[in-house]
Amino acid sequence: DIQMTQSPSSLSASVGDRVTITCRASQSISTYLNWYQQKPGKAPKVLIYGASSLQSGVPSRFSGSGSGTEFTLTINSLQPEDFATYYCQQSYSTPRITFGPGTKLDIK
Amino acid sequence: QLQLQESGPGLVKPSETLSLTCTVSGGSINTNTYYWACIRQAPGRGLEWIGSIYFRGSTYYTPSLQSRVTISVDTSKNQFSLNLNSVTAADTAVYFCARLSYSASSGIDHWGQGTLITVSS
Repeated sequence: DIQMTQSPSSLSASVGDRVTITCRASQSISTYLNWYQQKPGKAPKVLIYGASSLQSGVPSRFSGSGSGTEFTLTINSLQPEDFATYYCQQSYSTPRITFGPGTKLDIK
Repeated sequence: QLQLQESGPGLVKPSETLSLTCTVSGGSINTNTYYWACIRQAPGRGLEWIGSIYFRGSTYYTPSLQSRVTISVDTSKNQFSLNLNSVTAADTAVYFCARLSYSASSGIDHWGQGTLITVSS
């Protein structure tokens, strides 16, 4: 099984800040990596697919990069609605997918 | 607009079977470009993939639950279903239905709203 890790597990930031979340895979997954945002009581929402492709309708302040085993999600100029939990997910072994443990982003 | 709707019992007793039905509307479950997946989230925890099914019936399960889980599809009703037997309190979670791209280049593009299933006597 492919294991996913994320760092940090939690992060405090202010509106307008730039934040970066890192996701690592236990083996190379090429660019088969997706990022989701989840707000309390809601289903996750895809932000980035294929490591760096922005899902339609997602603001351009979100960006993703990486390949192989290390990936990053960057949010430029944080907005109040961005405070949420972020998950990475590998799709290299689709349909057997795995998620990272999540990074909770809250307001400083 | 594709929608997925979970329906489940809300409360299941320990050792019994948890059953969840996912109804797909606004699109057909008979598609060769997607899998249909069940994912859960225990209170305060992260997302756990349970399993996936293809419209022709091929199934894939997470190893930790493989001995207790069955996912099936009913194309005539545009539904897929999850059965998890011998449940314990550790199976208490919000259960989500989702559409997973057949291509590894994408992930999950549609989710149900989720339904909380509590295991308790």
